[in-house]
Amino acid sequence: EVQLVESGGGLVKPGGSLRLSCAASGFTFSNAWMSWVRQAPGKGLEWVGRIKSKTDGGTTDYAAPVKGRFTISRDDSKNTLYLQMNSLKTEDTAVYYCTTVKRITIFGVVIPAYFDYWGQGTLVTVSS
Amino acid sequence: EIVMTQSPATLSVSPGERATLSCRASQSVSSNLAWYQQKPGQAPRLLIYGASTRATGIPARFSGSGSGTEFTLTISSLQSEDFAVYYCQQYNNWHGAFGQGTKVEIK
Repeated sequence: EVQLVESGGGLVKPGGSLRLSCAASGFTFSNAWMSWVRQAPGKGLEWVGRIKSKTDGGTTDYAAPVKGRFTISRDDSKNTLYLQMNSLKTEDTAVYYCTTVKRITIFGVVIPAYFDYWGQGTLVTVSS
Repeated sequence: EIVMTQSPATLSVSPGERATLSCRASQSVSSNLAWYQQKPGQAPRLLIYGASTRATGIPARFSGSGSGTEFTLTISSLQSEDFAVYYCQQYNNWHGAFGQGTKVEIK
């Protein structure tokens, strides 16, 4: 059974930093592409960023609102995904979900597609 | 950037009735569309991918259709556990934009 368990959320002041973790089990983590998706209170879903597997280059990609402030990394030896969040703003307040990313091939190119498994999320509150 | 627009924002349906939810893309996404269900206090769950393929364990009362820019999620006979918020997401042109959601509530 696939399990994704996020941790590390909490209250932080604007301008502060926080690191989220996502412990994965039930699948071959090192082969997986992973993403973070967030949801502000009472709002919809917003993709935050993605990391490919190391065999696919291990590259990352970020949504515009977090680019340059957030960094996604992975430790395949620990089956753990991370989200380092710096220069936090009040608008970063949200539940942060760790997800697996299904890959598909279109015209011979492998692209990220949908989010097939989700963790339960961890709440990050940015407030003074 | 592809914008996904869902309608209606809220749908009031009686148990046992059919619910039809719409999702429109600002440009063609082919069949590269997924639907998710989110119940209060829970994480989203994948329902449909490829516009019409049910994910593992999803009941047959959920069906998806459409291609290009117009998509529909149909719940044939609403059960009590189906009252939730539903999101569409395109993945034709990554960065995986979500729609704003449709809340299905009890009439």
